[in-house]
Amino acid sequence: DAEITQSPRHKITETGRQVTLACHQTWNHNNMFWYRQDLGHGLRLIHYSYGVHDTNKGEVSDGYSVSRSNTEDLPLTLESAASSQTSVYFCASTPGLEGEQFFGPGTRLTVL
Amino acid sequence: GENVEQHPSTLSVQEGDSAVIKCTYSDSASNYFPWYKQELGKRPQLIIDIRSNVGEKKDQRIAVTLNKTAKHFSLHITETQPEDSAVYFCAASKGSSYKLIFGSGTRLLVRP
Repeated sequence: DAEITQSPRHKITETGRQVTLACHQTWNHNNMFWYRQDLGHGLRLIHYSYGVHDTNKGEVSDGYSVSRSNTEDLPLTLESAASSQTSVYFCASTPGLEGEQFFGPGTRLTVL
Repeated sequence: GENVEQHPSTLSVQEGDSAVIKCTYSDSASNYFPWYKQELGKRPQLIIDIRSNVGEKKDQRIAVTLNKTAKHFSLHITETQPEDSAVYFCAASKGSSYKLIFGSGTRLLVRP
């Protein structure tokens, strides 16, 4: 079955380290998104992509970057992890039509 | 940019009662309004959505209403059951942007 996966599911890192979170979907969706979820803030958009080689900044993009070299993957990189980036990260994808976004299982990141 | 406000932040109801969650949005160009349910430790999942050309939509015990003039939309759950206990998020998007701006979430507790 087609699906969307994230790895790792849990990650503990230290301040200043570079961290990459993986997101992989097998639906062949063009549109992919990264969100972070913090108590009291809901889901906030970090970066998104409408297709290969396309990337766009969301509401809270500072300190994060993404790249899209193929349709299936949108890795999220924290250039220099900060304690404020401790959060649960969700990626999502949607086909070319307006409608449901399908979320991955999430990655819980702790920055010490 | 778009801003979505959601109320209340927590809601406790007796099993069998109705629950109503309200959201307001700021961008009059927004035209797609989904609702997501997130159970503890799980990913958000779409439960119902509505587009701006429709005033109301129902799916069994769940309904969503939209008032474009006032720029608000609401989720109504009737005959609540303990399994309805979760966090509910509203969201808004416009045109072909596909990106969702989420409200801060409502934690619904249904007491048996």
